[in-house]
Amino acid sequence: AQTVTQSQPEMSVQEAETVTLSCTYDTSENNYYLFWYKQPPSRQMILVIRQEAYKQQNATENRFSVNFQKAAKSFSLKISDSQLGDTAMYFCAFMKHNAGGTSYGKLTFGQGTILTVHP
Amino acid sequence: GAGVSQSPSNKVTEKGKDVELRCDPISGHTALYWYRQSLGQGLEFLIYFQGNSAPDKSGLPSDRFSAERTGGSVSTLTIQRTQQEDSAVYLCASSLLRGTHNEQFFGPGTRLTVL
Repeated sequence: AQTVTQSQPEMSVQEAETVTLSCTYDTSENNYYLFWYKQPPSRQMILVIRQEAYKQQNATENRFSVNFQKAAKSFSLKISDSQLGDTAMYFCAFMKHNAGGTSYGKLTFGQGTILTVHP
Repeated sequence: GAGVSQSPSNKVTEKGKDVELRCDPISGHTALYWYRQSLGQGLEFLIYFQGNSAPDKSGLPSDRFSAERTGGSVSTLTIQRTQQEDSAVYLCASSLLRGTHNEQFFGPGTRLTVL
């Protein structure tokens, strides 16, 4: 079974600054994806960024980037130039897949980190 | 196009009553998932449907919980004889499973309150 751990229940950052959210995971699988999801107060879960475990290059999406350390089983999210709209709960999630890349379905989530961006 | 929709958005029920929660996935998505989000347990997987395959029910917490997916589209999650610990937000998601197109798109959830 997989476990995902987010050790920071809450974080805060000033607008325009950079913040890093931590995530570690435990698995014996070789083929998997890692995700960061954002859940604003509206409850709508939104995918922020995805990393394929076989790729060494860290994924980036505009102001969002990850630091993926496979050997350490660490997957942190860096948000640059933080904006007020980034205020939300952030979930790290794990999904295993077969060698062909087709997923086995379920996401395993961490406990979440509440991020507050202050003006 | 339209995203995943869920109804009702909020449901208040009395302990012991049955409830049905509905999910309309994105058209063409072959996979459908139910998750539960509660204060004590975080986000938990409940059940997963993929095409015509038997569903993965490994996350259902008790036999009071069941789900079906009719015609490969709409899904209903049923909770029988509700208990106070069933109070949570129930999230539905759908996805394609071809290649790496496995992003799960979530609905807005149904907040269930059991009095």
